[in-house]
Parts: sequence; structure tokens; C-alpha cells
Amino acid sequence: DGGITQSPKYLFRKEGQNVTLSCEQNLNHDAMYWYRQDPGQGLRLIYYSQIVNDFQKGDIAEGYSVSREKKESFPLTVTSAQKNPTAFYLCASSRLDRDVNEQFFGPGTRLTVL
Amino acid sequence: GQNIDQPTEMTATEGAIVQINCTYQTSGFNGLFWYQQHAGEAPTFLSYNVLDGLEEKGRFSSFLSRSKGYSYLLLKELQMKDSASYLCACMDSNYQLIWGAGTKLIIKP
Repeated sequence: DGGITQSPKYLFRKEGQNVTLSCEQNLNHDAMYWYRQDPGQGLRLIYYSQIVNDFQKGDIAEGYSVSREKKESFPLTVTSAQKNPTAFYLCASSRLDRDVNEQFFGPGTRLTVL
Repeated sequence: GQNIDQPTEMTATEGAIVQINCTYQTSGFNGLFWYQQHAGEAPTFLSYNVLDGLEEKGRFSSFLSRSKGYSYLLLKELQMKDSASYLCACMDSNYQLIWGAGTKLIIKP
């Protein structure tokens, strides 16, 4: 079955620690995205990538970093510089070559920083 | 600035019809998406509109008026499993999605 996997589903970290969230897709999609979702707010774009070894900052990239060494993988690191990292993190992917390039989402990782 | 507005919460009765509205202001427009998100889960794609008019897909329909910056999602024959948040998102001139905060739909028996 094709899809997007994110692990872990729940993650707890102490303040000041970096943490890496994984995202893997086997849909052969070119584009991948990381969003943050907070209660009462829309999804906010952190980073996105349209091709291997290239990525772009979204609206709230400060305190986060990413890499795209393989087409299938787009890990997100939440650094200690992120002021308020507790949130629900969603990874998505999409094609870029059709009229309707809907984004497909992974199950999400809920990060709690203590 | 870019802005997507939709009601925060709506309540409807099982078996009834509900319309969830979305108004938008974006820099450029390359289509409007509706997603469904159950609590604690990932959003799932429902519909896409880029031309004016109504798109029907089973119990769900989506309408777009580009001149008015307005869309709605119409859900018919409501079922309890339709209780979820419904997210409106517009694709801007850079082909990035701008998301509304979502409408929480509560279905009562």
C-alpha cells in the first residue's frame, strides 16, 4: 500500500533538546511539505521541497531545519531555537505534474516539550 | 495580506444538510481545496475547484465563485461519522496552500 508514514506518533522531549521527526513516502511524489497545526489555527507551512537536495522555507521556518537527501524522505529537526515547539506536526506530499495536485498527509507527530 | 475565513464551529442533525462557507483573499489563485480532518488524525482530501460552479461527489458537493472569493462545502444526508473539522485551503500564485483555521462540525442524533 502506498502512503506516508511519520514516526513516532507521540514524542516527548525536554526543553533545550533537538528532536528529529521522520517522514517517509512511497507514492513517488516529487514534493514534500512540513506543517505545524496548533489548536484554533490553520496549518502553517514550515518547509517544503520540490526536488532532492533542495528545499524552501515556509512561513514559520525559524527554529526548524530539514534535509532531502532522498526522494522518499524529508525529516524535520526541531531545534532548541524554536520558542514554542509543542504542537501537532504534519508531513505531506504531492505530485507536481497534474492539474490537481492534492496533498496527501501522514498521520502526524504530536510533540510535547516539557 | 492573504486570508481564509470560515466559521469556527457548526452543529447539525443526523440526516440533514449543512453548508460550510469559506471566503478567501489570496495573492493569485490556482484553485481551492476542501479537506476533512477527524480529531487527532491527518487531513484527507475531499474536493478541488478551480472554475466557477458546483462539483458533486456523492453526498459532498463543493461550490466556487472566483469573482466573490467564496466557496462552500455542502454535506447531505449527514451521518455521525461526518463529525470532523473541515479545512478550506487556497492555492496561491506560488502554488502554495494557504489554510483556513477549519470548521468543527458537530452532528447530533
